[in-house]
Amino acid sequence: GAGVSQSPRYKVAKRGQDVALRCDPISGHVSLFWYQQALGQGPEFLTYFQNEAQLDKSGLPSDRFFAERPEGSVSTLKIQRTQQEDSAVYLCASSTDRINYGYTFGSGTRLTVV
Amino acid sequence: ILNVEQSPQSLHVQEGDSTNFTCSFPSSNFYALHWYRWETAKSPEALFVMTLNGDEKKKGRISATLNTKEGYSYLYIKGSQPEDSATYLCAFPGDNDYKLSFGAGTTVTVRA
Repeated sequence: GAGVSQSPRYKVAKRGQDVALRCDPISGHVSLFWYQQALGQGPEFLTYFQNEAQLDKSGLPSDRFFAERPEGSVSTLKIQRTQQEDSAVYLCASSTDRINYGYTFGSGTRLTVV
Repeated sequence: ILNVEQSPQSLHVQEGDSTNFTCSFPSSNFYALHWYRWETAKSPEALFVMTLNGDEKKKGRISATLNTKEGYSYLYIKGSQPEDSATYLCAFPGDNDYKLSFGAGTTVTVRA
């Protein structure tokens, strides 16, 4: 596609519910990233994929967070047993030449846990 | 997580005025410095990736400078327009080239 597509745009979850956030990167972009932005803060790194391989998951806040990219294209970020502190904007980005052009971000999924 | 700071947190500018704001980052082990513009309800958009000390980049009315020795970058908006209203984020990869540490952003509001 022309850009990075994320769905849903907004998600309200009851505390304890599982959620799945989808990211469809730009076709051909090998690298894919997930970031979490809490209110009033800058985005924070969650995880990094190169094709289907998850090379870095050091930013995932707990074992309730799980990300996958099984065919090296679409990625899903899953949060189990959501807590109020999970409320944030979740951004997906992909890149092909980040040295020269940086990252292409999606418009994010705003998750609110009530 | 690397300490990347932006100031001010927000600023209001009259249409036609010029403005600038700062990003500071660790000066050791410099790799690159990214600037992004994030308009409400849109995706963050890459403005610049800066890699060389003394680098100056320009995109339309927006320009940025880089000082890697002292660890800061300035972003300038010349002749601000309402469409420049956005949050401007800087990000620093640190020791690797992919894990960005972002500042909290400077939110610019241009008043007509």
